[in-house]
Amino acid sequence: EVQLVESGGGLVQPGRSLKLSCVASGFTFSNYGMNWIRQAPGKGLEWVAYISSGSSYIYYAETVKGRFTISRDNAKNTLYLQMTSLRSEDTALYYCARGGQRFDYWGQGVMVTVSS
Amino acid sequence: DIQMTQSPSFLSASVGDRVTINCKASQNINRYLNWYQQKLGEAPKLLIYNANSLQTGIPSRFSGSGSGTDFTLTISSLQPEDVATYFCLQHNSWPRTFGAGTKLELK
Repeated sequence: EVQLVESGGGLVQPGRSLKLSCVASGFTFSNYGMNWIRQAPGKGLEWVAYISSGSSYIYYAETVKGRFTISRDNAKNTLYLQMTSLRSEDTALYYCARGGQRFDYWGQGVMVTVSS
Repeated sequence: DIQMTQSPSFLSASVGDRVTINCKASQNINRYLNWYQQKLGEAPKLLIYNANSLQTGIPSRFSGSGSGTDFTLTISSLQPEDVATYFCLQHNSWPRTFGAGTKLELK
């Protein structure tokens, strides 16, 4: 069974940093590109970042470019999102999702709240 | 960036009704469109990929159609468990972009 489990969220002050993790199981993690997607409270979905299976290709939404860094450790079956210079508008539920095209499996999400 | 315009934003229908939800892309995305269902408090679930391919395990009352810029998700006979918000996603180019969502409720 494919499982994606996010962690690392919480309450953080504006301007501070936070690192999210997504641990994958039930499939060969190193064969798949991975994404971070977020959903602000009561809002729709916003794609945040993508990393290819071997980390050769990385893409970011303009809203996070230069502040967020996506990475992965295929030996640990783990996807990361390093978030710096956080803003109130980054407050959201952050999901990891598998695949560059299908986004066929999603985690349950981890909440990030940016507030003083 | 490709903008995805989804309609309607809100839809009320009765059990057994045929329901259609639309997504319009701001430019040609071929068939690179997926549909997702998100129930309250849950992660999105893939229903349809590449415009008309049914994801494994999804009931056959869900179907997708369209190509180019105009796409439709159809529920042939609405069931109570279909109450949810539905989103489209284009994967023709980066950045990936979602429609704003359609909230479906029972009448």
